[in-house]
Amino acid sequence: GENVEQHPSTLSVQEGDSAVIKCTYSDSASNYFPWYKQELGKGPQLIIDIRSNVGEKKDQRIAVTLNKTAKHFSLHITETQPEDSAVYFCAASKGNNFNKFYFGSGTKLNVKP
Amino acid sequence: KAGVTQTPRYLIKTRGQQVTLSCSPISGHRSVSWYQQTPGQGLQFLFEYFSETQRNKGNFPGRFSGRQFSNSRSEMNVSTLELGDSALYLCASSGWLMNTEAFFGQGTRLTVV
Repeated sequence: GENVEQHPSTLSVQEGDSAVIKCTYSDSASNYFPWYKQELGKGPQLIIDIRSNVGEKKDQRIAVTLNKTAKHFSLHITETQPEDSAVYFCAASKGNNFNKFYFGSGTKLNVKP
Repeated sequence: KAGVTQTPRYLIKTRGQQVTLSCSPISGHRSVSWYQQTPGQGLQFLFEYFSETQRNKGNFPGRFSGRQFSNSRSEMNVSTLELGDSALYLCASSGWLMNTEAFFGQGTRLTVV
């Protein structure tokens, strides 16, 4: 099956700096890659996603890049704010897998004011 | 538009008992997936239902089961609870297309004592 690896496990940045979280996947058939933010005591919240026919997608301060050849994708957060502090998960799925997602192990992001 | 609703939010059960968790998806969504989240194993896929049919199943023992009703609400059941079943159980709701955005509820925190 699919294996998704996520790095780093923890990331501490100063407010205003950028943060980058990286994930690799093993199954070349995977074609949908969402990112989730999970705050303490809450369920994961979808923040951005990308499909395999696109190399980059942006939404305000958040961007995701995908390199299909290398089988890795990354989350970029610019101008970080304290409210960005949370655990971030990457995930991968493929079209014939009926919405089954394989998740990375998570990155705890701490934005220091 | 109301989000995904999971009930109850918290449960404490004794080893050997059984438990039923409920999930109401976003209105119009017909796919419901269940995940188990633990500190050690992360987010793991349990099963997915669409139009009352289980379409995909993860690698969990038969003690874990689920069903979906005609109004798309879903329940999962865990029988003969073990201490290791203590986890956050998350439900995700998706539209009718495969491989689309999945939106999570806040989860049910199950503690087995």
